[in-house]
Amino acid sequence: GAGVSQSPSNKVTEKGKDVELRCDPISGHTALYWYRQSLGQGLEFLIYFQGNSAPDKSGLPSDRFSAERTGGSVSTLTIQRTQQEDSAVYLCASSPQSGARGYTFGSGTRLTVV
Amino acid sequence: KNQVEQSPQSLIILEGKNCTLQCNYTVSPFSNLRWYKQDTGRGPVSLTIMTFSENTKSNGRYTATLDADTKQSSLHITASQLSDSASYICVVILGGGATNKLIFGTGTLLAVQP
Repeated sequence: GAGVSQSPSNKVTEKGKDVELRCDPISGHTALYWYRQSLGQGLEFLIYFQGNSAPDKSGLPSDRFSAERTGGSVSTLTIQRTQQEDSAVYLCASSPQSGARGYTFGSGTRLTVV
Repeated sequence: KNQVEQSPQSLIILEGKNCTLQCNYTVSPFSNLRWYKQDTGRGPVSLTIMTFSENTKSNGRYTATLDADTKQSSLHITASQLSDSASYICVVILGGGATNKLIFGTGTLLAVQP
């Protein structure tokens, strides 16, 4: 596609439920990033995928968070047993290669845990 | 600790006026610095990208400066328009290694009033 696509755009879930957030990067972009933006806070790095290399998971806040990227394209961020503090906007970005300038962000998924 | 600090946190100006947003960083190793504009409900959109050797870069009514010695950057907006109302985020890219992480500031919320 022409841009980074994220779905759903909004998600309301009950505490304790699992959620899956999807990111479809720009075709051909080998690098994919997930970030979290809590209300009034900056963007927090979560995880980074680069080609076939092992992902950098150093930003994941707990073992309830996981992500995968199938076929080097679409990525899914999964949050298990959601907590209210997980409420945030989850942003995905992709770039043509590690360190390249062409970072492009999706519009994000606004997650609300009630 | 890698940090990016922005000031002011919020700013209200009248349409047609100029303004300057500040960004101070303590990030090492430094790769490049970017300013992003984030409209409400949207993902960040890149305004400028500056490498270590660049002092000034313009993009229309936006002019960014970088002082690598003092580790400061500014974003100057000329002749502001109502559509400039948004959050402006300073982002520093970590250099070196396989993971080019983005270190985000918390942003400056700009409101342009008629």
